[in-house]
Amino acid sequence: KAGVTQTPRYLIKTRGQQVTLSCSPISGHRSVSWYQQTPGQGLQFLFEYFSETQRNKGNFPGRFSGRQFSNSRSEMNVSTLELGDSALYLCASSGSGYREKLFFGSGTQLSVL
Amino acid sequence: SQELEQSPQSLIVQEGKNLTINCTSSKTLYGLYWYKQKYGEGLIFLMMLQKGGEEKSHEKITAKLDEKKQQSSLHITASQPSHAGIYLCGAPMVGAQKLVFGQGTRLTINP
Repeated sequence: KAGVTQTPRYLIKTRGQQVTLSCSPISGHRSVSWYQQTPGQGLQFLFEYFSETQRNKGNFPGRFSGRQFSNSRSEMNVSTLELGDSALYLCASSGSGYREKLFFGSGTQLSVL
Repeated sequence: SQELEQSPQSLIVQEGKNLTINCTSSKTLYGLYWYKQKYGEGLIFLMMLQKGGEEKSHEKITAKLDEKKQQSSLHITASQPSHAGIYLCGAPMVGAQKLVFGQGTRLTINP
C-alpha cells in the first residue's frame, strides 16, 4: 500500500497570502488529521475529518480550515498568512481514527516571509 | 486538556550505550503511542501500548506502560547511529478522535 502523501513538500509564501496543502491518505483510511509542528509549540492538533465531516477541531483561529473529499483526500487552507504560521504541517490517516495508530505523511514545510 | 511531559528534552549518548526516555501524563492514560521523527520529516510509528503493565519490544527498543504512575518509558539497548532522531509519545484524548503529543526528546548518538 502506498503511504500518506502530502503535497507540496516545501512552500514559500509571503504575509497576507493564502495557501492550500493537500493530503492523500492510505487507501481505505477514512480519517485524516492535520497537525502543525513548530520548534516552540511542538506538535499541535489542527482538525480531524472523517467521511467528509470535521469531527474534531483544535484551538486554532478561523484562518485555518480544511475539508475532505469523498475519496478521503483532504486539503487544509490557511488564509491571510502570518509569520507565525511558518511550520511543518503534518497529515495523518487511520481507518476510523478512534484510538488507532496514525500513519503520518512526510509533511509540508511552510515558510512565510 | 491532557498534557504529556517528556524527559529528557535532549539526550546525547555514546554509541553502544543504553538510554531511557520517559513520558508522563497529567491525566489517566488510556493507551500510549511512541513515534520517531527524523528532523523535518514525518513521524514513524514505533509501538502502541494499550494496557497497564504492557511491555513491547522491537529490535533494540522496548517500551512499557505504567498506568498507576501515568507514565511510559522507552528504552534503547546498545544504541546505534540509526537510533538518532526525535522521539515523541502520543496519547488519545478521552472522548475525542485525536492524539496529543509530548514535546519530543531529541536523541543524538556519538560514534
